[in-house]
Amino acid sequence: RKEVEQDPGPFNVPEGATVAFNCTYSNSASQSFFWYRQDCRKEPKLLMSVYSSGNEDGRFTAQLNRASQYISLLIRDSKLSDSATYLCVVTSSTDSWGKLQFGAGTQVVVTP
Amino acid sequence: EAGVVQSPRYKIIEKKQPVAFWCNPISGHNTLYWYRQNLGQGPELLIRYENEEAVDDSQLPKDRFSAERLKGVDSTLKIQPAELGDSAVYLCASSFTQGPLVEKQYFGPGTRLTVT
Repeated sequence: RKEVEQDPGPFNVPEGATVAFNCTYSNSASQSFFWYRQDCRKEPKLLMSVYSSGNEDGRFTAQLNRASQYISLLIRDSKLSDSATYLCVVTSSTDSWGKLQFGAGTQVVVTP
Repeated sequence: EAGVVQSPRYKIIEKKQPVAFWCNPISGHNTLYWYRQNLGQGPELLIRYENEEAVDDSQLPKDRFSAERLKGVDSTLKIQPAELGDSAVYLCASSFTQGPLVEKQYFGPGTRLTVT
């Protein structure tokens, strides 16, 4: 089983709709979490950190569920420009230096 | 402010040949990462540097891959000899880290390697 898992999608979303997806992790010692966005043939770019209490940045909301060991990303009022692959990153400090892992990504396609 | 710089952007080589990638991180960033990304997969960490020290190279195939960050600034990743399975995008990222946990990373545009 992979340590960080994501539904690869694609999630086909009508413009203006809401879409949400999760990222599950297996290491209960995981301590920091991020969502990155990656456009086709481009580098990943930080979308947002995920805080324990949940956090929002405009149309994007990230949540952390430690009990069930997953993070989620919700996109409201989807725009065509939101079409991308969304990568989660999970890090832990099981040794002196944090171990980090990326998920394989969830593809979102926003359609007109 | 300049972002993470990588070169070359594209490289095509024959198998068994050597290849090297260069990365210059964002000024002031003490942590540098090299990743490999295959199509349809997330980036896989190859090596992480804190200043000059390689603090995590557990995923680096040491029989053919090597890396250095001699002055704690720019870094070079080398493959010798390259194999067909090394075809991938090699990403460099940097961050400013004050403790053991990974902070926000900023990625360079990557080097797309094709081994024929």
